[in-house]
Amino acid sequence: NAGVMQNPRHLVRRRGQEARLRCSPMKGHSHVYWYRQLPEEGLKFMVYLQKENIIDESGMPKERFSAEFPKEGPSILRIQQVVRGDSAAYFCASSPPDPSGGYTFGSGTRLTVV
Amino acid sequence: RKEVEQDPGPFNVPEGATVAFNCTYSNSASQSFFWYRQDCRKEPKLLMSVYSSGNEDGRFTAQLNRASQYISLLIRDSKLSDSATYLCVVRFAGTALIFGKGTTLSVSS
Repeated sequence: NAGVMQNPRHLVRRRGQEARLRCSPMKGHSHVYWYRQLPEEGLKFMVYLQKENIIDESGMPKERFSAEFPKEGPSILRIQQVVRGDSAAYFCASSPPDPSGGYTFGSGTRLTVV
Repeated sequence: RKEVEQDPGPFNVPEGATVAFNCTYSNSASQSFFWYRQDCRKEPKLLMSVYSSGNEDGRFTAQLNRASQYISLLIRDSKLSDSATYLCVVRFAGTALIFGKGTTLSVSS
């Protein structure tokens, strides 16, 4: 029973390029959450999605960031025109419809902008 | 106003010590409470849920005080392998999990 799968594990982008981070939830989980962890900081909530729906994007920066969770395929977090300040670890988590048991996290994608 | 606050530490203790971490949260409508553990910037892993009646899992005991909006984690007989960052996590009504910044524990021999 595979856990939450994130890829790539490491991603290097030059300033101005686009970054695409992918997340496949655990089998049986229909809810996906994206978090960002800057160096020496805690995890910050970005967006909460269900299939084909954004439920809460209150933590997403207003520009350059977008997320989707299509009917088929993984959830995608997309960062356009990356800047050095976007360098961070991006973690995806998933849960069943009742999240009272907590979330399961993927191993994260480490984004480095050079 | 921070939603979930923790003492960042670090807590440096010898093996066998008992150590306690505290956490406060700002929203009285909070519904679910957890402690997660994070090793060396790897993914957070669920350590235990926290219930109003208090709960224990081996050497770990968690307590919740809803009136004071306060959560605690007690680790008895610390092991070297307990060295990690412990994250206090709260789910407010209708939101995703909100994480504290974490408390760093270092257990030495």
